[in-house]
Amino acid sequence: DTGVSQNPRHKITKRGQNVTFRCDPISEHNRLYWYRQTLGQGPEFLTYFQNEAQLEKSRLLSDRFSAERPKGSFSTLEIQRTEQGDSAMYLCASSGRGNEKLFFGSGTQLSVL
Amino acid sequence: DAKTTQPPSMDCAEGRAANLPCNHSTISGNEYVYWYRQIHSQGPQYIIHGLKNNETNEMASLIITEDRKSSTLILPHATLRDTAVYYCIVRGSSGNTPLVFGKGTRLSVIA
Repeated sequence: DTGVSQNPRHKITKRGQNVTFRCDPISEHNRLYWYRQTLGQGPEFLTYFQNEAQLEKSRLLSDRFSAERPKGSFSTLEIQRTEQGDSAMYLCASSGRGNEKLFFGSGTQLSVL
Repeated sequence: DAKTTQPPSMDCAEGRAANLPCNHSTISGNEYVYWYRQIHSQGPQYIIHGLKNNETNEMASLIITEDRKSSTLILPHATLRDTAVYYCIVRGSSGNTPLVFGKGTRLSVIA
C-alpha cells in the first residue's frame, strides 16, 4: 500500500490550454474525492465517486471541469480552457468501506500563466 | 460552509501539550467531530474523530464537551514536526457527505 498517488506534482500551463491530472487511490478504496486548495484556504470539495459513479459535484465545478473514474480505479480531472483563477493545488483523496477516514495524496500544483 | 470555528493561529513550546479548541455549536446529534492536519506542501492527514465520548489514539486525544458544542484536540508532547494547519470538521455519521474544510488553526511549535 503506497498511499494515494497524484501525477504530475506540478503543472505549468498557459491560459486557454487544457490540462489533465491523474489520481491513483489506495487499492480497493471505493470512494475517491477531488478537492481544490488555494493559498491560505482550506481544501474545497469539488466532486466524489463511489466506484465508477460520480455521486456529487460542487457548484464550484464549472462546465470546464470534468472528472472520470473508469472501472472504479484511477481517476482523472480535466480542466479545459484554463484560466488564471484555476491556479491552485488539486488534491485527491480516497476512502474505504465505512468511509470514515479520507487518505489524501500530495496534490498537483497547477499554475496558469 | 464549514460548521466550525477555530482560532486562526496558535503557538506552543516544544515538549508541551498543544490544546487546539473548536466550536461547533450547531452540531446535530448524529454528526461526528473530525480532526485533520496539513503539513506544508502535503495533503491533509487524518488525526482522530469522535461522537460524544473522549477519544485517544497514538497521535492525539479528543475531548468533546458534554453538550457537544465544542471540542479540544490535545497533542500531549508537541514536537517541531507537529507544526501544521489543524482542521476541525463536523460530518454526518453515514460518511455519505464530503468533508467540508474551514481555514483551520495554524499551529507553530517553537523550540
